[in-house]
Amino acid sequence: NAGVMQNPRHLVRRRGQEARLRCSPMKGHSHVYWYRQLPEEGLKFMVYLQKENIIDESGMPKERFSAEFPKEGPSILRIQQVVRGDSAAYFCASSSSTGLAGRSSYEQYFGPGTRLTVT
Amino acid sequence: RKEVEQDPGPFNVPEGATVAFNCTYSNSASQSFFWYRQDCRKEPKLLMSVYSSGNEDGRFTAQLNRASQYISLLIRDSKLSDSATYLCVVRGSGGGADGLTFGKGTHLIIQP
Repeated sequence: NAGVMQNPRHLVRRRGQEARLRCSPMKGHSHVYWYRQLPEEGLKFMVYLQKENIIDESGMPKERFSAEFPKEGPSILRIQQVVRGDSAAYFCASSSSTGLAGRSSYEQYFGPGTRLTVT
Repeated sequence: RKEVEQDPGPFNVPEGATVAFNCTYSNSASQSFFWYRQDCRKEPKLLMSVYSSGNEDGRFTAQLNRASQYISLLIRDSKLSDSATYLCVVRGSGGGADGLTFGKGTHLIIQP
């Protein structure tokens, strides 16, 4: 019963390169969320996706960041032309379509994260 | 005002003691509430959802007060393994309609 999977676990990029982070949701989950945790900060919501649809990207930086969740394969968070300030832990979470009937809680389960270091 | 506010601690508590954390949230339209725990450099792990009627799971009890917009977590008979950062989390409070908004966490250290 695999949980949320993310890879790579650690990624080092030089300034100006592209970073691609992958996330496979928990089996049976069709909703994917990306969060960023800067050093000494709390997690911040970035984007919410379902298969082939971006539902809410209100937390995504306006430039250089994009996300997708194709019909087949994992969700991808892509950061173009990385800068030092992009260094952070990026967590993916997934949830099922609905919570328990009558006690809907929309619980999200997190992957182990990808630690991005920009040098 | 921060959307989800917690006392960062650290709380240094002897093993076996009872410890309580509170958290306040700013958006009265928030819909769902959770406590997560996060160990150093690991992912957040769901501890429990918080329901309006309050709920208990073993040594852990969570309460929600919608009128005052605060959430509490009580840990009884604390264990060394309870040492972690406890994150108060709210859904539907600025993190998009479905994204979660996290507090910065309360750091708990259980001492032998």
